[in-house]
Amino acid sequence: EDQVTQSPEALRLQEGESSSLNCSYTVSGLRGLFWYRQDPGKGPEFLFTLYSAGEEKEKERLKATLTKKESFLHITAPKPEDSATYLCAARMDSNYQLIWGAGTKLIIKP
Amino acid sequence: ETGVTQTPRHLVMGMTNKKSLKCEQHLGHNAMYWYKQSAKKPLELMFVYSLEERVENNSVPSRFSPECPNSSHLFLHLHTLQPEDSALYLCASSQGIGSYEQYFGPGTRLTVT
Repeated sequence: EDQVTQSPEALRLQEGESSSLNCSYTVSGLRGLFWYRQDPGKGPEFLFTLYSAGEEKEKERLKATLTKKESFLHITAPKPEDSATYLCAARMDSNYQLIWGAGTKLIIKP
Repeated sequence: ETGVTQTPRHLVMGMTNKKSLKCEQHLGHNAMYWYKQSAKKPLELMFVYSLEERVENNSVPSRFSPECPNSSHLFLHLHTLQPEDSALYLCASSQGIGSYEQYFGPGTRLTVT
């Protein structure tokens, strides 16, 4: 069964404490892996798309990486404004629909 | 207005009521989506429209009825809902049904009493 699993479910960090969020996927024929950020009371906001193993993309304090089984969202020296729920989703070759993970709620304490 | 807008932002309705959710996209996209988001669960795709034609209905109960009168507007008509239908309903759009970047509205928080 095609599936996307995110871990941990929640992560609390001190400001400046770097860490990583995990998105593991079991899909047949990955066509793309997507990261979104969702703030409370808002819809998801697109961050990155990764297409092939070894690819990396960066935006400010965030860097997304992709292997053949999982993706990581690395956050370096986070600030309180990075607090949000981070969602990942996978798209297969055979279907345009995205398979979503349940998200990781990230809390950065000042 | 820019991006994707949704109204109302909050809705409380009884199980016998009929209401509608509205979505409008100002991005010139030709694909629109309805998702259901429940706490701690992955987003569930409900309906997909491409060029105003419905292309997907993921086994959604008939008490949810979508309507897409043009490429900029999407409605979700609700009737005889159940308490388990309480959730955040998100609208999204993209440039082409296969496009990877979907742009979301802020959602409608629905509570069924």
